[in-house]
Amino acid sequence: SQQGEEDPQALSIQEGENATMNCSYKTSINNLQWYRQNSGRGLVHLILIRSNEREKHSGRLRVTLDTSKKSSSLLITASRAADTASYFCASAIQGAQKLVFGQGTRLTINP
Amino acid sequence: GAVVSQHPSRVICKSGTSVKIECRSLDFQATTMFWYRQFPKQSLMLMATSNEGSKATYEQGVEKDKFLINHASLTLSTLTVTSAHPEDSSFYICSAPGLRTDTQYFGPGTRLTVL
Repeated sequence: SQQGEEDPQALSIQEGENATMNCSYKTSINNLQWYRQNSGRGLVHLILIRSNEREKHSGRLRVTLDTSKKSSSLLITASRAADTASYFCASAIQGAQKLVFGQGTRLTINP
Repeated sequence: GAVVSQHPSRVICKSGTSVKIECRSLDFQATTMFWYRQFPKQSLMLMATSNEGSKATYEQGVEKDKFLINHASLTLSTLTVTSAHPEDSSFYICSAPGLRTDTQYFGPGTRLTVL
């Protein structure tokens, strides 16, 4: 069953601003991953953070993981119009290879 | 990097017909593949885990007789939607884990429209 929750469900900001999305999960994980999906298209893997990591950076992306709160956040800095998409967290369940996706955040960057 | 393909990318069929969707790992072997379904403006829901050489494992609430999964080889899994109905219209996406257990490679998805 889908176990991840994300907030906000939708976020609209001006170009250049930072966007923060939050994700919560319910069970123990091996890692947590973030994906981007443009409307009607496939998934693009953004970043993976392991359960023993607390923070990770990749370009304009910053991901944090708090296993005690079972939560993660994705920060996109200096947003661009091209960042407009839906963003999903996916938790890799401990002991299994499958991913469980959060509900997603629809991000709109206004020029 | 590893590539997963899906075929077809789009399919339109009449209600009551069956549709087969293929998922292939192009440059690596996958003993396990996953099938997801995504309704408009919703997230991906895991439907089933496809296992090479054995029966698929279905998530709770997914009808195994309606969504037939066959993992015929180490590079191919198929999902057949039997007796499709308009409510089965959705975006179906497969994935396969890479050599490293923490990586997953996703196919581009198949959009099914049932008239």
